[in-house]
Amino acid sequence: GESVGLHLPTLSVQEGDNSIINCAYSNSASDYFIWYKQESGKGPQFIIDIRSNMDKRQGQRVTVLLNKTVKHLSLQIAATQPGDSAVYFCAENTSGTYKYIFGTGTRLKVLA
Amino acid sequence: SQTIHQWPATLVQPVGSPLSLECTVEGTSNPNLYWYRQAAGRGLQLLFYSVGIGQISSEVPQNLSASRPQDRQFILSSKKLLLSDSGFYLCAWSGTGVTEAFFGQGTRLTVV
Repeated sequence: GESVGLHLPTLSVQEGDNSIINCAYSNSASDYFIWYKQESGKGPQFIIDIRSNMDKRQGQRVTVLLNKTVKHLSLQIAATQPGDSAVYFCAENTSGTYKYIFGTGTRLKVLA
Repeated sequence: SQTIHQWPATLVQPVGSPLSLECTVEGTSNPNLYWYRQAAGRGLQLLFYSVGIGQISSEVPQNLSASRPQDRQFILSSKKLLLSDSGFYLCAWSGTGVTEAFFGQGTRLTVV
């Protein structure tokens, strides 16, 4: 189900360190997963996605890992920069349902 | 390229007044369209989605309604706003198949 109504957890990291943001998804039938970045007062922006037939996908400075056994998704950001400060959401989708269900979100704070 | 427009960016409305938020998508045909609401510091809650003109699915019972009078136009409405309708409203679209959703910049609604 949807993880709404919970205050956002915060992850604080030093600039230059790697960040790992975790997400537990709810529906074992979900077969497509997306990470979004949302800056204050703006709409979410697509970062990276992964389909259920994969367990890892890499982008520029970002890596998404999928563990279907425990229904867990993670986003790794390498060499975190101040511009990475934002709220990060995972979203799950099941083929044919058209709906994107979002996780609670994690606020990432990058410390100088 | 595809773009999504959402307006207004901010809105202050008195309790009991009507609401109309509009969202339009350019550069694509027959998109899936979505309205989400985000309370301050919280996750995204799916309100409505539409897979075609005149086809609206409601996810949660509430004081709001949605309409899709044209292929690329999605409208969120209320006849009488409540204080609890305050929030950040986001419109999104997705294409056919397994693909990410793209978000507008949002409307911050404050009901006073």
